[in-house]
Amino acid sequence: QQQVKQSPQSLIVQKGGIPIINCAYENTAFDYFPWYQQFPGKGPALLIAIRPDVSEKKEGRFTISFNKSAKQFSLHIMDSQPGDSATYFCAASMRSHHSGNTPLVFGKGTRLSVIA
Amino acid sequence: EAGVAQSPRYKIIEKRQSVAFWCNPISGHATLYWYQQILGQGPKLLIQFQNNGVVDDSQLPKDRFSAERLKGVDSTLKIQPAKLEDSAVYLCASSLRDRVHEQYFGPGTRLTVT
Repeated sequence: QQQVKQSPQSLIVQKGGIPIINCAYENTAFDYFPWYQQFPGKGPALLIAIRPDVSEKKEGRFTISFNKSAKQFSLHIMDSQPGDSATYFCAASMRSHHSGNTPLVFGKGTRLSVIA
Repeated sequence: EAGVAQSPRYKIIEKRQSVAFWCNPISGHATLYWYQQILGQGPKLLIQFQNNGVVDDSQLPKDRFSAERLKGVDSTLKIQPAKLEDSAVYLCASSLRDRVHEQYFGPGTRLTVT
């Protein structure tokens, strides 16, 4: 059972465009939603994260929009650049009595290509 | 600050052979994770350690996979015997004990089973 559904699988945008990647979840106990960026041959790197008490978070050119009622969140990349070409993963976790938060559950990833 | 180190970076073995991967986490990170990332998918947690104790190994195929973190620092993941479907990238990650949601990943080991 896939707990976090991510779309689209791949995305091509022109330089300067605003790619949008979407994720949906079912488990309302999730309370932490990060996005990871992965370049070929590298491990995923934490990009930005949000908790459900806010509807939007911005860090530089990256913005997360969160819709608690729809159980959806999305990543927007403003003024996208060729260097943003990578695979992006959404993830989710929930609070645990034992270790603060449960392990991350990842989406299947979106391969983004930004062309000049 | 040094990142998570993993070795080897690549490994090719035949099915039914055994293989071991090594990980050294970021200094001071009590929590260590092993993930399996099959091509075209997101990472899937195999096992989570807190110091040298196992917190979660519910998705580890225990008939062929084993992992240890004897001194609470570096860790090894072993597959014995390997199957074709074990071909994947094996990622190690670490985090501070009270910030398990902020994980730092190593570069991974790409395993090909032929």
